[in-house]
Amino acid sequence: EVQLAQSGAEVKKAGESLKISCEGSTYIFSNYWIAWVRQMPGKGLELMGMIYPGDSDTKYSPPFQGQVTFSADKSISTAYLQWSSLKASDTGVYFCARRADNTFDSWGQGTLVTVSS
Amino acid sequence: QSALTQPASVSGSPGQSVTISCTGTSSDVGTYNLVSWYQQFPDKAPKLIIYAVSKRPSGVSDRFSASKSGNTASLTISGVQAEDEADYYCCSFTDSRTFVFGRGTKLTVL
Repeated sequence: EVQLAQSGAEVKKAGESLKISCEGSTYIFSNYWIAWVRQMPGKGLELMGMIYPGDSDTKYSPPFQGQVTFSADKSISTAYLQWSSLKASDTGVYFCARRADNTFDSWGQGTLVTVSS
Repeated sequence: QSALTQPASVSGSPGQSVTISCTGTSSDVGTYNLVSWYQQFPDKAPKLIIYAVSKRPSGVSDRFSASKSGNTASLTISGVQAEDEADYYCCSFTDSRTFVFGRGTKLTVL
């Protein structure tokens, strides 16, 4: 069974930086795109973009371009989502998900990010 | 890319069939047979229940079925049960070579 394990909840202040992680296991991590999905409190799912760990090719959804950075270290089967300067509006749960056959077949448990102003 | 349109909520009594619609455009749902559906319980990760319009992953109940006509996809839950009460999201591949989610539908089992 594919597993994606995300890093734990974070509490930060506006202006701080943050990097959260998503570690894949039981499959060849390099061969599948990893998507990052935001869910703001009480709201729906928003695709932030994706990264291909094999070559670190990235695709950002327009609202998130320039706001976050995706990276990956295929040697340790881990993808990252990074902010350089958090805003209160970044508060939410962030999921990573594996893209397979043009669907998102496996999901991490989510990382809650709370940003206070 | 605008979110796909879903009803905010649907409800049904146990044993009834419930259908959730997902309306997009000719740039997504209408062109690609790459619509998927996800079930999400409170404070849990989404779970894939339908992919490629109407295919069920292994282990997903056959009470879940789905289809597509034109720009609208639909998820039907037959014989709805209390355990089906959750949020449901559709998702489609798009002309921009990316994906767009629906706004989500809350299913209430009466």
